[in-house]
Amino acid sequence: GQNIDQPTEMTATEGAIVQINCTYQTSGFNGLFWYQQHAGEAPTFLSYNVLDGLEEKGRFSSFLSRSKGYSYLLLKELQMKDSASYLCAVRVYNTDKLIFGTGTRLQVFP
Amino acid sequence: DVKVTQSSRYLVKRTGEKVFLECVQDMDHENMFWYRQDPGLGLRLIYFSYDVKMKEKGDIPEGYSVSREKKERFSLILESASTNQTSMYLCASSTTGLSPLHFGNGTRLTVT
Repeated sequence: GQNIDQPTEMTATEGAIVQINCTYQTSGFNGLFWYQQHAGEAPTFLSYNVLDGLEEKGRFSSFLSRSKGYSYLLLKELQMKDSASYLCAVRVYNTDKLIFGTGTRLQVFP
Repeated sequence: DVKVTQSSRYLVKRTGEKVFLECVQDMDHENMFWYRQDPGLGLRLIYFSYDVKMKEKGDIPEGYSVSREKKERFSLILESASTNQTSMYLCASSTTGLSPLHFGNGTRLTVT
């Protein structure tokens, strides 16, 4: 089975840095994905990690440690438009299925 | 850009009705998915299809069935709608391998 944990809510200030953690326990693992979802909209893809380490994409970075079953999404220079839910998802080994965590709702304040 | 289109944005149905949710993608993707999204529960996989006429159950298939007769279209069927199926339904597609899911805008279904 799979178990994916993320904090339910986080708050941060415009211009700051925030780290959203995700821990997972799965019977098989083949990649971890991060999605952003604004209220009332569809999730949109942000990044994925297959190997351990940091992947950087502009203001967003994602880190993976497979031995610890742990990932984080780092958002730098926060903007008001970054207020959204951030979804962590694990790709199940030997399939193309993605299993999602419950998401972290981030609120950015001025 | 990949486009995943869901036929209805909002739908209201009565208990016991048969409900069809349609999804079409325009990028020749092999994989298509149906998820439902509920507050506090996140996105839960209902069914997954990796090819025409091929399907696999997700985590919560009870009360649902699916149909994939053509590569671009994936239908979710509620045989007899119940109030606990009131939810946001999201369709997604992807190619095989390490590729992201592309989501449609969702169908908010209310069963009264």
